[in-house]
Amino acid sequence: GQNIDQPTEMTATEGAIVQINCTYQTSGFNGLFWYQQHAGEAPTFLSYNVLDGLEEKGRFSSFLSRSKGYSYLLLKELQMKDSASYLCAVTLLGDSGGGADGLTFGKGTHLIIQP
Amino acid sequence: DSGVTQTPKHLITATGQRVTLRCSPRSGDLSVYWYQQSLDQGLQFLIQYYNGEERAKGNILERFSAQQFPDLHSELNLSSLELGDSALYFCASSGGQGATDTQYFGPGTRLTVL
Repeated sequence: GQNIDQPTEMTATEGAIVQINCTYQTSGFNGLFWYQQHAGEAPTFLSYNVLDGLEEKGRFSSFLSRSKGYSYLLLKELQMKDSASYLCAVTLLGDSGGGADGLTFGKGTHLIIQP
Repeated sequence: DSGVTQTPKHLITATGQRVTLRCSPRSGDLSVYWYQQSLDQGLQFLIQYYNGEERAKGNILERFSAQQFPDLHSELNLSSLELGDSALYFCASSGGQGATDTQYFGPGTRLTVL
């Protein structure tokens, strides 16, 4: 089966940096997404990694190591509005090999930003 | 605003009933995905349609069904509802059918079964 692990909750201070880790054990790994979700709202796309390495996008960066089954999301210069859940999701090769399956999500990390 | 629309926003119904949730994808997107989000299970993939055809199935119950129409909007039908079906149901869309395409989520429908 598929298994994706993230810490349930993290707390950080406004202006600081936080790293949210995600480990996965899957078969047919294709790539990894990070989404942000505020309570009761839709997940919004943050980043996508398919190759090993770091992808930087403004205050947010995401890293992937396929050999270790590991990713992290790095948030810099934290703002109060960054308080949200952060969802790690893997995309798998479908049975047809065409990569048609939906995203498999971890349970999310609830990030609390304190002043 | 992702460009994906879902109706209704809220739905309250009783056990044993049937409901239909509606989703319109972003303009130009051909794939529609349905997800269920409950407190204990997190976001679970239910089913994907691409250009009117079923493309992939996830953890969808037999009591649930979906379809995608020629204008590309999609409906998720939930029948013989149980208390445990209470959840947020999200629709997402993407341009292609591949798993590497970014999925954009709608605002969701909150279903409460009493």
